[in-house]
Order: sequence, then C-alpha cells, then structure tokens
Amino acid sequence: EDKVVQSPLSLVVHEGDTVTLNCSYEVTNFRSLLWYKQEKKAPTFLFMLTSSGIEKKSGRLSSILDKKELFSILNITATQTGDSAVYLCAVRVSGGGADGLTFGKGTHLIIQP
Amino acid sequence: NAGVTQTPKFQVLKTGQSMTLQCAQDMNHNSMYWYRQDPGMGLRLIYYSASEGTTDKGEVPNGYNVSRLNKREFSLRLESAAPSQTSVYFCASRVAGDLYEQYFGPGTRLTVT
Repeated sequence: EDKVVQSPLSLVVHEGDTVTLNCSYEVTNFRSLLWYKQEKKAPTFLFMLTSSGIEKKSGRLSSILDKKELFSILNITATQTGDSAVYLCAVRVSGGGADGLTFGKGTHLIIQP
Repeated sequence: NAGVTQTPKFQVLKTGQSMTLQCAQDMNHNSMYWYRQDPGMGLRLIYYSASEGTTDKGEVPNGYNVSRLNKREFSLRLESAAPSQTSVYFCASRVAGDLYEQYFGPGTRLTVT
C-alpha cells in the first residue's frame, strides 16, 4: 500500500522565521511529488518534483526531492502571516491502471505576528 | 474562466437519503477526480475519470457512484448516505499528459445525521 507521511503535523512559529516541512513516501512506481497549500478552501498547487526536476524555487518557497532517501522538504523563508495554511504533500505513481494522487495528512502551519 | 465549480457548497442529509454532488470545469481538461477530506486523514481519492466516457475506482469508492456526463461535468452520487460519509468533498481536474497539476474546486461540506 502506498504511503505518504508528513511531519510535523502542526507547527507554530513567529513571523520572519524559516520553516522546513517534511514529506517521506513509500510507494511503488514513483512518478512525481507535488506540494499544495490549503487555506480554508481548495488546495492550490505549489510545486511538482520529478526525477528530472529535483529542486524548485518560487520566491520565499523552495522544495527539494531526494529520490534515493524517498523524501522531500518544503522550505519557507522569512515567513509571513499569509503563509499560515495546511501544506499537503502528494505522490503520483504510474502503472497498474491507476491515476490520482496519494496525499499525506498535511502540516498545519501557523505564523504568529 | 471559472475553473472548477462545485454545487452545493453545504448539504445536510439524513441517513439513507440520496444526493448528487455536481462538478464542472471550463478548462477543457481530460481528467477529473473526486476526493474526500476528513480531519486528520488528508485527501483520499474516491473515483476518477481519465476521459469522457470512462470512470475508475480510487482508494475509497464504496458507497459512491460517479457519472462523467460529458467532458466538462463529473458528478458524484451517494445512493444511501451514511454518517461515515460526513466529509468535505473536492472535485479536481487536470490536463492530459505529464503536467500533473490538479486544479481543485471549492469543496462541498456534507453532513449526514
């Protein structure tokens, strides 16, 4: 059974701090790993990492994928209160006729002013 | 361009009642998905449709049926609602191919009493 584990499950930091969110996975036929941000509504896409793109950066957010050790991290520098959200990690596998993403439980990040 | 829309936003059902959750996308996407999100469980795939006229089971299909009415619309039906189906339901869609970013609708919060 495919498994995606995120840690920590919740995190409270102060504005301006740097945070690192973790995602480890055990899946067969790994294809890609995606990060989403979920505020009180629908998840919105942040990054997709594959074997051909193992590091992504967008402004204060960056993510790396370690395919050997089967994990990814999402870094947020100089955090702002608007970064408060649940961050979801998901893995896409290929083969077996299946489609869709397997999600972790998410990390609930709270940024205090 | 509305993206992915879902109706209704909220619904309360009694055990045994039936209802259909509607989803539509205007991005000309081939693939569409239904997920449920429960506290502490992350998102879990219920059903997906890789193209018009095809549907397949995901991780948690029991108690649900789906219809891919046309390329735009993908509905989820609960024939006999149970309290265990109390959840937030998200519809998502994506383009075909390796660009695997899924776009999510705003969600339907369903309570079964």
